[in-house]
Amino acid sequence: EVQLVESGGGLVKPGGSLRLSCAASGYTFSDHNMNWVRQAPGKGLEWVSFISSSSFIYYADSVKGRFTISRDNAYNSLYLQMNSLTAEDTAVYYCTKEGNSWSLDSWGQGTLVTVSS
Amino acid sequence: DIQMTQSPSSLSASVGDTVTISCRASRTISRYLSWYQQKPGKAPSLLIYGISNLESGVPSRFSGSASGTDFTLTITSLQPEDFATYYCQQSYDLPRTFGQGTKVQIK
Repeated sequence: EVQLVESGGGLVKPGGSLRLSCAASGYTFSDHNMNWVRQAPGKGLEWVSFISSSSFIYYADSVKGRFTISRDNAYNSLYLQMNSLTAEDTAVYYCTKEGNSWSLDSWGQGTLVTVSS
Repeated sequence: DIQMTQSPSSLSASVGDTVTISCRASRTISRYLSWYQQKPGKAPSLLIYGISNLESGVPSRFSGSASGTDFTLTITSLQPEDFATYYCQQSYDLPRTFGQGTKVQIK
């Protein structure tokens, strides 16, 4: 069974930093593209960042230059380093795995990031 | 970027009804269209990928179709557990993009 477990969320002041982690299990992590998707309170889903199985990387314009996605295939883990955080980054952040037709076939439970003074 | 325009933003329906949700891509996305269901307080889950392929375990009352860049999610014989928010998403290109969501409510 595929499992994705996020951690690292919390309360941070504007301008601060946070590092999210996602521990993957139940499949061959290195074979699959991964994404971060976020959801602000009461809002829809917003795609944040992509990393391919070969570590090609892409970001949403809203986070480009502030967020860094990475993966460690030896530890079956995905990361999101978030810097220069603003209130607009407040959201639940989901770790997701790409499957058939690059759909997001597995989602973690999400980790809440709150940016507030 | 490919824009995904989803409609309606909400709808009210009764148990047993058939509902359709639409999603239009701003340009071709081939077959790289997925649908997700999200219940309150839960992570989204994949329903359909590749326009019309049901994810394992998804009931057959869910179906997907397409005409060009217009995509449709149909739920026949709506069940109480189907009241949720539904999102379309394209995975043809980066950035990946989602529709705005459709909330299916009980009439």
